[in-house]
Amino acid sequence: EIVLTQSPRTLPLSPGERATLSCRASKSFSSSYLAWYQQKPGQAPRLLIHGASSRASGIPDRFSGSGSGTDFTLTISRVEPEDFAVYYCQQYGSSVRTFGQGTKVEIK
Amino acid sequence: QVQLQQWGAGLLKPSETLSLNCSVDGGSLSGYSWTWIRQPPGKGLEWIGEINHSGSASYNPSLKSRVTMSVDTSKTQFSLKVTSVTAADTAVYYCARAHFDSWRHHYYGLDIWGQGTTVTVSS
Repeated sequence: EIVLTQSPRTLPLSPGERATLSCRASKSFSSSYLAWYQQKPGQAPRLLIHGASSRASGIPDRFSGSGSGTDFTLTISRVEPEDFAVYYCQQYGSSVRTFGQGTKVEIK
Repeated sequence: QVQLQQWGAGLLKPSETLSLNCSVDGGSLSGYSWTWIRQPPGKGLEWIGEINHSGSASYNPSLKSRVTMSVDTSKTQFSLKVTSVTAADTAVYYCARAHFDSWRHHYYGLDIWGQGTTVTVSS
């Protein structure tokens, strides 16, 4: 099983600031198998990024993903008020498709 | 546009069996893996398992002994059963569609989600 560790757990930011979220894996896997999701309170998660760096349909270009091997990053270039939420990474590189524990982007 | 509609009992007693269904509206079961995820109150997402249109399933080892997934292609539905529930199974349960292209070796993510079902286990 691949364990995904996200950091930081909480990220206080002001609107307009840049957000950098990390997802580190316990073993290496293809970047094609890494996805990112956004979840707001009371809602189902929403797919943001697949294949580590490809934006899902309708996702604004302020969201970008990068990384390979064991280290992956989600970047929000300028945080908008609607971006305050919890973000999860997920891998499909092993038979148990694990999620990271999440990073909460909150208003500073 | 494909949508997932899920339903099932929301209040269970310890030792009972959790049973949830998810209907794929506007689409087919073929070509995708149909996934169940849960989220305990105030916590993160936990992958329970997935099943494809032919009924081949993969489960999280932490739940494997109690979990069964099935598909009904005639109704374009898939289902989750968890036996012998305890308070630790209290969570919001989601169904979702996983899109993986085995030819291109590319995971397109859990691109469609159900609305979630709150399941509470309490005596």
